[in-house]
Amino acid sequence: EAQVTQNPRYLITVTGKKLTVTCSQNMNHEYMSWYRQDPGLGLRQIYYSMNVEVTDKGDVPEGYKVSRKEKRNFPLILESPSPNQTSLYFCASSFWGQGNTGELFFGEGSRLTVL
Amino acid sequence: GNSVTQMEGPVTLSEEAFLTINCTYTATGYPSLFWYVQYPGEGLQLLLKATKADDKGSNKGFEATYRKETTSFHLEKGSVQVSDSAVYFCALSGLSGGYNKLIFGAGTRLAVHP
Repeated sequence: EAQVTQNPRYLITVTGKKLTVTCSQNMNHEYMSWYRQDPGLGLRQIYYSMNVEVTDKGDVPEGYKVSRKEKRNFPLILESPSPNQTSLYFCASSFWGQGNTGELFFGEGSRLTVL
Repeated sequence: GNSVTQMEGPVTLSEEAFLTINCTYTATGYPSLFWYVQYPGEGLQLLLKATKADDKGSNKGFEATYRKETTSFHLEKGSVQVSDSAVYFCALSGLSGGYNKLIFGAGTRLAVHP
């Protein structure tokens, strides 16, 4: 089954405690991206990656890091989480270039609470 | 800058009622337009899309027409069902960052009652 898998789905942590949210896709997509969803703001892009070892900032990258060492994986790292990073996070993937139809495939989301 | 504006929700309807969710956009180029749907506890999934002016996207009884003159992409359905209860997001792409970069509206929650 084609899917984007995120873990953990739910996490409560404390300020300053480093955490990683993993994302994996099995569709051989070149493009992967992280979004955060906040009430009244919709989804905002944090970081994206066009392929292995190629990443770039989205609209709200502050406080986050990413890496793309393998095509299927795109982890989101919060080095020192703060309460304003409490949010619902989505990983998404798609083809890049000629294979792209404009459709993004989303994971089920990771709800993060930072106390 | 580029942006998407949706009508605020929640929208509450009775089953079999007509649905319209308004969406307008601001863009410097010629974006592709999308509607995504998010069912409770799930990620977003593509509902329909249109890639150029006057195109009509349709799926599962939902329709939206790309209106360049009014910069709009309103979502409509003639007869909603309880199973349509979800959050609907209008989005655009095809500008800086390539076709993969989606800019989303704030989302409109739809609740359909029997």
